[in-house]
Amino acid sequence: TQLLEQSPQFLSIQEGENLTVYCNSSSVFSSLQWYRQEPGEGPVLLVTVVTGGEVKKLKRLTFQFGDARKDSSLHITAAQPGDTGLYLCAGKDFGNEKLTFGTGTRLTIIP
Amino acid sequence: NAGVTQTPKFQVLKTGQSMTLQCAQDMNHNSMYWYRQDPGMGLRLIYYSASEGTTDKGEVPNGYNVSRLNKREFSLRLESAAPSQTSVYFCASSVWRGYEQYFGPGTRLTVT
Repeated sequence: TQLLEQSPQFLSIQEGENLTVYCNSSSVFSSLQWYRQEPGEGPVLLVTVVTGGEVKKLKRLTFQFGDARKDSSLHITAAQPGDTGLYLCAGKDFGNEKLTFGTGTRLTIIP
Repeated sequence: NAGVTQTPKFQVLKTGQSMTLQCAQDMNHNSMYWYRQDPGMGLRLIYYSASEGTTDKGEVPNGYNVSRLNKREFSLRLESAAPSQTSVYFCASSVWRGYEQYFGPGTRLTVT
């Protein structure tokens, strides 16, 4: 079983600050997905990164896939209260298409 | 467009009772999944159905059974509920296994 560790587990910052959360594994993935989950709802896909070293931007969110395809980061610029939620990464195995979810980072943006 | 729907939204069971969680998707997806979510544990896969007519065990299948009733519907059954099965259960679907997953709103289950 491949493990995906996310850090930090909890993060609480003021509105307007920048932050980065991490998703790390010792295993290589064919691609990596990031989801956001709001309280009382199911996760919703934000982005999929496929190529090692790939950077994708979604408004104030920047996602990077590590060169070795073992890790990923999510950087948020000028955080807003609407960014509050649980951020989950999910790595896709080569070959068997299995998707493994990380443990999540619970982000709270304080107005 | 409803996406993925789950019923019920909340349920309280006594130890030993049985129940079935229902899930349906209207996106013509081939693959469907059942997860449980516990604090600090992320999402753990219970069972999945890669395509209509097939089901396979995930990470934590013990105490659960599933039925892929047709392409749209995938149910999860607890035959004899235990307190360790207290959790939030999510159903999800995707075009094929490994693709973007679409999640339902979840069922919050408490077993006393």
